[in-house]
Amino acid sequence: QQQVKQSPQSLIVQKGGIPIINCAYENTAFDYFPWYQQFPGKGPALLIAIRPDVSEKKEGRFTISFNKSAKQFSLHIMDSQPGDSATYFCAASPRWRSNTGKLIFGQGTTLQVKP
Amino acid sequence: NAGVMQNPRHLVRRRGQEARLRCSPMKGHSHVYWYRQLPEEGLKFMVYLQKENIIDESGMPKERFSAEFPKEGPSILRIQQVVRGDSAAYFCASSPDRVTGELFFGEGSRLTVL
Repeated sequence: QQQVKQSPQSLIVQKGGIPIINCAYENTAFDYFPWYQQFPGKGPALLIAIRPDVSEKKEGRFTISFNKSAKQFSLHIMDSQPGDSATYFCAASPRWRSNTGKLIFGQGTTLQVKP
Repeated sequence: NAGVMQNPRHLVRRRGQEARLRCSPMKGHSHVYWYRQLPEEGLKFMVYLQKENIIDESGMPKERFSAEFPKEGPSILRIQQVVRGDSAAYFCASSPDRVTGELFFGEGSRLTVL
């Protein structure tokens, strides 16, 4: 119940394409869903996050879609660029309903954007 | 405003030795999280601490691992009697508060056990 399942494991797109990464969860106590980007040798950095009371959030070229009934959420990267090549992690947290702000991470998706 | 500082960045230990990893949170942050990342895997939660208190250690192995966040100084993740399976990247994150604050990650400490 504490798991977050992420797919695909890896993804290759051409420049300008729209990669989509999907995540699913079981624990209905999760109420905060961030996406992190990680470059090799670096720590993860927050890209965008969503609460379950909205179905979509956009920040620049990054969009989160959230389906509360299906317990799924996804990341879309519009007009992808080679500089977006990185590993992307979805995460979930029961922040408002527990005494811990810990994040449970998905397994990660390695994205390669070809020029 | 400096980010989350972790040291050492790289640490090599022989089996049976001790590893100490340090994390200085961002200024004004009193919440610290430790995560472990194995090669080609995601980040696994280990422990969540506030100053002088362990709040959630549900991800910590029962033996050989301990963590602290003293009133003064950095948070320390200590691994006693290391084994090869402890080889991983250990990331620290800090946050200004539990509920609404973003987690800011350091660049990690990469432990190699020979």
